[in-house]
Amino acid sequence: NAGVTQTPKFRVLKTGQSMTLLCAQDMNHEYMYWYRQDPGMGLRLIHYSVGEGTTAKGEVPDGYNVSRLKKQNFLLGLESAAPSQTSVYFCASRNQPGTGYSYEQYFGPGTRLTVT
Amino acid sequence: DQQVKQNSPSLSVQEGRISILNCDYTNSMFDYFLWYKKYPAEGPTFLISISSIKDKNEDGRFTVFLNKSAKHLSLHIVPSQPGDSAVYFCAASLKAGNMLTFGGGTRLMVKP
Repeated sequence: NAGVTQTPKFRVLKTGQSMTLLCAQDMNHEYMYWYRQDPGMGLRLIHYSVGEGTTAKGEVPDGYNVSRLKKQNFLLGLESAAPSQTSVYFCASRNQPGTGYSYEQYFGPGTRLTVT
Repeated sequence: DQQVKQNSPSLSVQEGRISILNCDYTNSMFDYFLWYKKYPAEGPTFLISISSIKDKNEDGRFTVFLNKSAKHLSLHIVPSQPGDSAVYFCAASLKAGNMLTFGGGTRLMVKP
């Protein structure tokens, strides 16, 4: 099992350009998440999904859009990149709550994005 | 307003000694707490967790303590090893919540 994978690993954008970050998981998890990590700020939730075809806003959703067309994939889009979106982006997934409820999320390796 | 805070950005300890990482939270509705470990250029990995019905959970060298009245949890690593050098994040969830709220992280450096 590859777990959670993210594409690309690095990217440099110019202000105003658009891009899509891809997250894929092979654990058959229902829930998927997109976070950004900035120095001293920890991990902040951008958007998340509790199942195929669903999305919801997190703590810092402005400037980002997401789609979950397939259960195993969760896409994060930047329509018009800004320098404030320079960050490291992490995707995570989690099992659907059930017997033996687990809050543990499994993270991908991250995408380092620089917007100039 | 950060609901989960890790007030020490960094901590340095000698190999073999105890490392104590602290985390404070403000939301009394948080029901479950987790610690994650992160190495450079990698994603965070789950380390240990604790439910609000407990005040201690142990897994090998790692022990998490929860003081609900003080809204405080701590992670103890005994003995500390150089391989423990990483950034540690605490996180909290509401009961049956969909999301985790993370602290800002503490960078632990274990010196040989």
